Amino acid sequence: DTEVTQTPKHLVMGMTNKKSLKCEQHMGHRAMYWYKQKAKKPPELMFVYSYEKLSINESVPSRFSPECPNSSLLNLHLHALQPEDSALYLCASSQDDWVGAYNEQFFGPGTRLTVL
Amino acid sequence: SQQGEEDPQALSIQEGENATMNCSYKTSINNLQWYRQNSGRGLVHLILIRSNEREKHSGRLRVTLDTSKKSSSLLITASRAADTASYFCAIPKTSYDKVIFGPGTSLSVIP
Repeated sequence: DTEVTQTPKHLVMGMTNKKSLKCEQHMGHRAMYWYKQKAKKPPELMFVYSYEKLSINESVPSRFSPECPNSSLLNLHLHALQPEDSALYLCASSQDDWVGAYNEQFFGPGTRLTVL
Repeated sequence: SQQGEEDPQALSIQEGENATMNCSYKTSINNLQWYRQNSGRGLVHLILIRSNEREKHSGRLRVTLDTSKKSSSLLITASRAADTASYFCAIPKTSYDKVIFGPGTSLSVIP
């Protein structure tokens, strides 16, 4: 199984709502990633988890809270978002976090988030 | 900052033609990767080329790497409408670190 799944596919939320994005992979990968992508822009890294521990936080606002319950699951908890946070949120995984050292990343299809 | 810069930003060709897109970067790398993204979907890994390699092939894809010029090219031969997508090069920020995606080339293949 070389698939990364993400739920939901679409999410519309108000600025006072709390919601969560979910990501799952069963490839035995030990690194998982959250990216944010605005229209016609490249993906921007938000968080990296390596062996279930947060290894990189790219200075993401605290209204985004990642969680890695186990090696197969990655969540992104959302609270008090702003309209400018509307974007495609992509989850990815790789064998380990030595991405610079030859590991390809496998991406999920993304969650299209709209903040009203 | 270390980030690939793709060229051209947009490319439109007829089906059956070849498409070439380029990626330039600033500092030494140990590998470079190319990804494809169909509209509004996740990215798909195409090819990884290491710094000691000059050329790699995968089906209709050919990637070259010139470390002296700090550039890479992706050639898609005999293009198909299904190749319509955005193509990104991805470069490690440091030797053993996360990758940074370039701004991408938007390819349109007209049937």
